Amino acid sequence: SQQGEEDPQALSIQEGENATMNCSYKTSINNLQWYRQNSGRGLVHLILIRSNEREKHSGRLRVTLDTSKKSSSLLITASRAADTASYFCATAPGAYGNNRLAFGKGNQVVVIP
Amino acid sequence: DAGITQSPRHKVTETGTPVTLRCHQTENHRYMYWYRQDPGHGLRLIHYSYGVKDTDKGEVSDGYSVSRSKTEDFLLTLESATSSQTSVYFCAISIQGAETQYFGPGTRLLVL
Repeated sequence: SQQGEEDPQALSIQEGENATMNCSYKTSINNLQWYRQNSGRGLVHLILIRSNEREKHSGRLRVTLDTSKKSSSLLITASRAADTASYFCATAPGAYGNNRLAFGKGNQVVVIP
Repeated sequence: DAGITQSPRHKVTETGTPVTLRCHQTENHRYMYWYRQDPGHGLRLIHYSYGVKDTDKGEVSDGYSVSRSKTEDFLLTLESATSSQTSVYFCAISIQGAETQYFGPGTRLLVL
């Protein structure tokens, strides 16, 4: 089954720096989503980008999507200690009637104060 | 947690015993999902539901069954728990399939 794969798997940065992580996938998609998970908690939806969109912003988050390369990137600008979390990409396959998301294994980001 | 509760939040059980996890939502959303999360595997779909009494298998459904007799409740049952089912289980809901999902707080299950 299709699955998003994040890269890098783990990232450690200083507070105030930008954090960038990538996600690749294998088949056509309807949309791609990014989620955050703080330790011991459920996932929280951050942003959704559709297959006909190339870039989307939400606060300090910027997501890009390149369907020709089957990849997406998530940029967190001016990182804060509170951004320490795991970040997952999830893809919604383009097949009609498919109601599932396929999640990647996650990116662990540590922001050092 | 978007009106989603999971119960129990923690459970320790023995191999071979039946276990039922409950997901309850107050949003009246149509779609509900059960995932398990394990180190090195990320989040994997067990079963999902697209309406009352309408369910479908995910990628790791063996050993699990589900039921949805009311819109607000989605039950996950391990008929005979095994140690390989030790995991953190998350329920999620969405308004439309494969769109934004809202997750519950999770249930930590330990099978001894």
